[in-house]
Amino acid sequence: KNQVEQSPQSLIILEGKNCTLQCNYTVSPFSNLRWYKQDTGRGPVSLTIMTFSENTKSNGRYTATLDADTKQSSLHITASQLSDSASYICVVSDGDYKLSFGAGTTVTVRA
Amino acid sequence: DAGVIQSPRHEVTEMGQEVTLRCKPISGHDYLFWYRQTMMRGLELLIYFNNNVPIDDSGMPEDRFSAKMPNASFSTLKIQPSEPRDSAVYFCASSLRFDGEAFFGQGTRLTVV
Repeated sequence: KNQVEQSPQSLIILEGKNCTLQCNYTVSPFSNLRWYKQDTGRGPVSLTIMTFSENTKSNGRYTATLDADTKQSSLHITASQLSDSASYICVVSDGDYKLSFGAGTTVTVRA
Repeated sequence: DAGVIQSPRHEVTEMGQEVTLRCKPISGHDYLFWYRQTMMRGLELLIYFNNNVPIDDSGMPEDRFSAKMPNASFSTLKIQPSEPRDSAVYFCASSLRFDGEAFFGQGTRLTVV
């Protein structure tokens, strides 16, 4: 069964600090992996989309990495801001038009 | 483009009533997705359309749920009859490709009492 596991479930960091979120998957075959940011009361917004051949992709202070061999991805937030407080969802697509969703990591940034 | 537009933003209804959620995708996007999000189950894909045709409805929980896309600019998700366990936030999203960047609407928060 295709699964996507995210860790930690939640974390609290101080403004200005860095943090890293993890996403491990068992989806096979693999098409791409996406990270979404979801603010409270809003719809998810795409941060990055990575295919098999991509190891790193950045979007401002967000950097996603992908290791397709170990089936692991991470999302690194640099110099966190209060606006980074949100849920971050990892979604993996296989080659057969199926999507597998992680449960998300809730990040709280405190001043 | 104003993005994906969903209505209503909030819906409170009594158990047994029919509920219709509406979505206007981004113009030119060939794919439209309906999602449900709850604290317990997270984000779940219910159904998606390609060029107005339903492709995969395996995520639709029961026959009480139905979705239509009569044209490229409008889709509905209907629940009849509604039950308290249907309470959730329902999102509509659209994209150019199935695997492409999906743009989500603001969601409809449904409460069935």
